[in-house]
Amino acid sequence: GAGVSQSPSNKVTEKGKDVELRCDPISGHTALYWYRQRLGQGLEFLIYFQGNSAPDKSGLPSDRFSAERTGESVSTLTIQRTQQEDSAVYLCASSLSRIGMNTEAFFGQGTRLTVV
Amino acid sequence: AQSVTQPDIHITVSEGASLELRCNYSYGATPYLFWYVQSPGQGLQLLLKYFSGDTLVQGIKGFEAEFKRSQSSFNLRKPSVHWSDAAEYFCAVGGTRGKLTFGTGTRLTIIP
Repeated sequence: GAGVSQSPSNKVTEKGKDVELRCDPISGHTALYWYRQRLGQGLEFLIYFQGNSAPDKSGLPSDRFSAERTGESVSTLTIQRTQQEDSAVYLCASSLSRIGMNTEAFFGQGTRLTVV
Repeated sequence: AQSVTQPDIHITVSEGASLELRCNYSYGATPYLFWYVQSPGQGLQLLLKYFSGDTLVQGIKGFEAEFKRSQSSFNLRKPSVHWSDAAEYFCAVGGTRGKLTFGTGTRLTIIP
């Protein structure tokens, strides 16, 4: 696609429910990132996928958070038993290859998650 | 572990004045450095990047940044700001393993 696409753009869910957020990276991009941005805060790294390598999950805040990516295509971020502190904008980014090989990350518009 | 510090949470400058936003990084080897801008309600847009070579890099919208290894810094500058530059600015560092780490951001306000 022309850019990184995230869906839904907005999601309101009740506390305790599970949610799935989707990211479609730019076609051909092997690297994919998820970040969380709480209101007025910076970008908090969650997880990073690079090709067929094991993902870097070091930023996932708890075992309620998980993410999958099939090959070099779409990724889903799942939050189980949502809590109010999970309310944030979840940003996805992709890059042509590993950062540093003269590549940059391109960001989607994000999914705004509100837990009520 | 890699990290980024942006010491200024909020900066206010007058339109037409010069601007410098500070960024310090921590990384064990040669870093890959980026500045992104986030306007209200918008996604993140890349302003400029440093991978290697010339330590002064030019970006879009008249921005530039200078990599100073001795100071572990990558400060963003603009000689004359415009009202449209009001936004949140994020510095980021990437390493050879591909992980991209962001600072907490600097919010820029422009006064007439």
